[in-house]
Amino acid sequence: AQSVAQPEDQVNVAEGNPLTVKCTYSVSGNPYLFWYVQYPNRGLQFLLKYITGDNLVKGSYGFEAEFNKSQTSFHLKKPSALVSDSALYFCAVASGNNRLAFGKGNQVVVIP
Amino acid sequence: NAGVTQTPKFRVLKTGQSMTLLCAQDMNHEYMYWYRQDPGMGLRLIHYSVGEGTTAKGEVPDGYNVSRLKKQNFLLGLESAAPSQTSVYFCASSMRETQYFGPGTRLLVL
Repeated sequence: AQSVAQPEDQVNVAEGNPLTVKCTYSVSGNPYLFWYVQYPNRGLQFLLKYITGDNLVKGSYGFEAEFNKSQTSFHLKKPSALVSDSALYFCAVASGNNRLAFGKGNQVVVIP
Repeated sequence: NAGVTQTPKFRVLKTGQSMTLLCAQDMNHEYMYWYRQDPGMGLRLIHYSVGEGTTAKGEVPDGYNVSRLKKQNFLLGLESAAPSQTSVYFCASSMRETQYFGPGTRLLVL
């Protein structure tokens, strides 16, 4: 079965510092990978996805993610974190019939 | 475009009561999904639909039923609510892999 793991429950980062949110995946075949963000009391918003092609994927709000096949990882990155980036981040992998399997989520706290 | 909308936003039920959550999308998407979100457990798929008139079970279907009579609507029913069904429920829709989510329904079962 396709799955993703987000090993950290919470990531704390100072405003202006680089932000990394980790995700590893386990799939049979080629993975379709996604990142979503959830602000308090809101639904999930699509950030970016990797289907094929360039290993560095650029998305919304200055976020990017690097697909690494040898390490089975798809880490989300932002060069300079903002306080407004504080949110819950979910990694997901496609699992057939256009379904997604989500990780447990990472709470990101950006400290002013 | 409203995208994906959910009704109601918040509801309190007593154990044993029934209710229906409504999801509507105006993007002409074929696929629709119902998830529940619980602290520390991410999103878990309850039921989904690959097109009008179809439904299928997801990861946690017990205690829920769904119907997709119209392409734009996906209904989630709780026939006899239990405290374990206290959660935040999200609907999503997609044409292909990328899913678009509604704002959620917060349900409290006492």
